[in-house]
Order: sequence, then structure tokens, then C-alpha cells
Amino acid sequence: DIQMTQSPSSVSASVGDRVTITCRASQGISSWLAWYQQKPGKAPKLLIYAASSLQSGVPSGFSGSGSGTDFTLTISSLQPEDFATYYCQQANSFPFTFGGGTKVEIK
Amino acid sequence: EVQLVESGGGLVQPGGSLRLSCAASGFTFSSYSMNWVRQAPGKGLEWVSYISSGGSTIYYADSVKGRFTISRDNAKNSLYLQMNSLRAEDTAVYYCARDRDNHVFDYWGQGTLVTVSS
Repeated sequence: DIQMTQSPSSVSASVGDRVTITCRASQGISSWLAWYQQKPGKAPKLLIYAASSLQSGVPSGFSGSGSGTDFTLTISSLQPEDFATYYCQQANSFPFTFGGGTKVEIK
Repeated sequence: EVQLVESGGGLVQPGGSLRLSCAASGFTFSSYSMNWVRQAPGKGLEWVSYISSGGSTIYYADSVKGRFTISRDNAKNSLYLQMNSLRAEDTAVYYCARDRDNHVFDYWGQGTLVTVSS
């Protein structure tokens, strides 16, 4: 199975800050990576697919990059509604696996 | 509007069974693969099972293989998860999720809570 390792596990930031979350795959997954946002008590929401493609309706302040084993999710200017937990997911092969999550908290 | 609505969760004793359902609307259900993903209380996301659009291809996580069965009824726009021999570690919110393309989950239901406890 492909292991997905996210870092950091949590980050404290202020509105307007630039936030970067990294995700590392235990083996190469090309660009088969997605990012999700989850708020407490809610279902996850797809933000990014194919490592860098923005899902329809997602604000342009979110961006993704990377290929192979190392990936990044960047929030260019943190907004109040962006405080949430973020997960990466490899879509390269079964079983699909998620990273452990990164909680973005208010500083 | 795409909607996925899960039902069937509840409290069940260890060793018991439960059948989850997911009612889909707002899209051509028979054209999409579907998945179940779960989340234990306070924990991260765990993919559980996948079924192709026609139902011919199915995959399971090792943690549920042999105990859970995924199925679908395209005539009823419904996805199912039959869960047998339930264990305490199966306690989680179970989400159904549409497979957008290449195994990315673009729409999720609101989830249904399964609690396995005596």
C-alpha cells in the first residue's frame, strides 16, 4: 500500500497569511493526488485534483503543485472560512490512501 | 444539484450486521463509479470500498475484506454497503462519495454514524 505522509499535522496562522502543507507518498504516484478540506461535522470537500487542477467553484487562493512523491497545497492568503483540516489522497492505485490531515488553526 | 444521502447507521453489537444505503440524485448515477469512505471519531479519512459504474469491478480495504460487501442498484440510483461481523474498530461516520474521474471523490454525502458497542 502507498503511505501518504502530511506535514505539519497542525499549523497556527492568521488571516492573510500564506500557508503551505506538504504531502509525501511512499512511492511515485505521478500526478494522481487530490486535496480535500473538511470542517468540523461536515463531509470533506474536493479542492484540487491531478495535483494542481482546481475543482470548479474552489477559490483561486488555493493551489497545488508537485509530482512523483512530493506535493504541496498552498493557501495564498488565509481567509476566515479556510480554517479547517486538509487531507491529501493518492488516486494512483488501490487501496486509495489519505494523509493523516493538517489542521489549520487560528493564531 | 448532485445529492448523496446516506442512511442505515446506528448502534450495533460486536459481531452484528448493518446495511448502509446511499441515495443519489442530480446526476446520471449509472455513469459513475462510487466509493465508501469512513472516519472514526476524531480520526482521519479511510477509504473502504469501490464499485465501478456497472458493478463489475469491486475493491475493498484489507481492514474490511471478507466482512463488508458493496453493491449498487442503478435502476434505483442507490449504493449499498452490507457490513457483517462488525467490530469496535468499525465505529465511524461512513460517507458515500462519487468517483469523479480517476478515483478522485468530487461529491460526498453527509455521512451516517455506525457505532459498534455492547
